[in-house]
Amino acid sequence: QLQLQESGPGLVEPSETLSLTCTVSGGSVTTKSYFWVWIRQSPGKGLEWIGTASYGKSNNYNPSVKDRVTIFIDTSKNQFSLSLRFVTVADTAMYYCARGNSGASGVFFNSWGQGTLVTVS
Amino acid sequence: DIQMTQSPSTLSASVGDRVTITCRASQSISKWLAWYQQIPGKAPKLLIYQASTLESGVPPRFSGSGSGTEFTLTISSLRPLDAAVYFCQQYNTNSLLTFGGGTKVEI
Repeated sequence: QLQLQESGPGLVEPSETLSLTCTVSGGSVTTKSYFWVWIRQSPGKGLEWIGTASYGKSNNYNPSVKDRVTIFIDTSKNQFSLSLRFVTVADTAMYYCARGNSGASGVFFNSWGQGTLVTVS
Repeated sequence: DIQMTQSPSTLSASVGDRVTITCRASQSISKWLAWYQQIPGKAPKLLIYQASTLESGVPPRFSGSGSGTEFTLTISSLRPLDAAVYFCQQYNTNSLLTFGGGTKVEI
């Protein structure tokens, strides 16, 4: 059974870089039919898709963060990571990693990590 | 951008009630819609994809319908453990995946 686990600092200073890692077990990040995704949820608010990566394919990012974000797949560790540069307090959120399946041109999310809270302060 | 609007934002119902949540897209997304359940303190869980396909392991009291711009999630007989926030998500395009604002179901 696929399991996803986020890890990384819980506190980041403004203007610094937020770096999170998602460790995948029970599946491989090189499976070409799957997508590896980061999603965040601000306290008391809704869900925001950050970006999607898939092995051997181009990444897709939310235009709201596109200039600051990179998602990277590390096949040697079976992990994928999120780097969000120049953070502000508005980036404070619970960050989830997820696995996506495709339909049409887009992706829905059928496995989620438990989430990790990142505070920018 | 495709905007997703859910209604109502909060719903109060009793055990055994039939509950319906609506999700409207700002433009046609065909059948490319998913529904998620988020229990407080937990990650969202996929319930339905492709508007009406039940994810494996999800109880059959959950069902989805719709196409184009209007979709519904129905819980046929509400149970206490269904107290949660429900989100819809469109995946018609990979350039911007968007969620609805959520519907809180109170028992």
